[in-house]
Amino acid sequence: EVQLVESGGGLVQPGGSLRLSCAASGFTFSDHAMHWVRQAPGKSPEYVSSIGKSGDTYYINAVKGRFTVSRDNSKNTLYLQMGSLKPEDMAVYYCVRRYNAYDYWGQGTLVTVSS
Amino acid sequence: EIVLTQSPGTLSLSPGERATLSCRVSQTVSNDYLAWYQQKRGQPPRLLIYGASFRATGIPDKFSGSGSGTDFTLTISRLEPEDSAVYFCQHHSLSFTFGPGTKVDIK
Repeated sequence: EVQLVESGGGLVQPGGSLRLSCAASGFTFSDHAMHWVRQAPGKSPEYVSSIGKSGDTYYINAVKGRFTVSRDNSKNTLYLQMGSLKPEDMAVYYCVRRYNAYDYWGQGTLVTVSS
Repeated sequence: EIVLTQSPGTLSLSPGERATLSCRVSQTVSNDYLAWYQQKRGQPPRLLIYGASFRATGIPDKFSGSGSGTDFTLTISRLEPEDSAVYFCQHHSLSFTFGPGTKVDIK
């Protein structure tokens, strides 16, 4: 059974940092591109960042230079290092497997940016 | 920038009826990279349809997708109360943009 379990969310002040992790199991992690998707309350999901099988990385303009996506295939884990956080970054962050669209999602981890 | 527009915003129907949800994309979708998701309150989205018309693993045949180019449709037949949810379309390539969603209420 495919499982994606996020952790690392929480309350952080504007300008602060957080590191999200996503532990994957039930599939060959290294064979898949992995994405981070966020969803603010009452809004539709928004693609944030992704990392390909070979480690190529992509970001939306709103987080470029502030967020860094990485993966450790030996640990089957995806990461999102978030810095210089802004109130508009507040959302539930989902780890998502990309295969035939977004076929598996984690339960998400809530990031709250507030003073 | 690719923009997805969904209509209607809300759909209120009775059990047993059929729901027809529309998704219009601002640019032609190559290779029909259009997906549909169902999201219930407090849960992550669940993939229903990818490639415009292919059902994801475990999705019942009451859910069907159609369309090409810029206009796509999700049809849900034989509605049940458990189908109450928000449904999003997504261009699952390049920008991975989602539409604003259609809320389906089954009374």
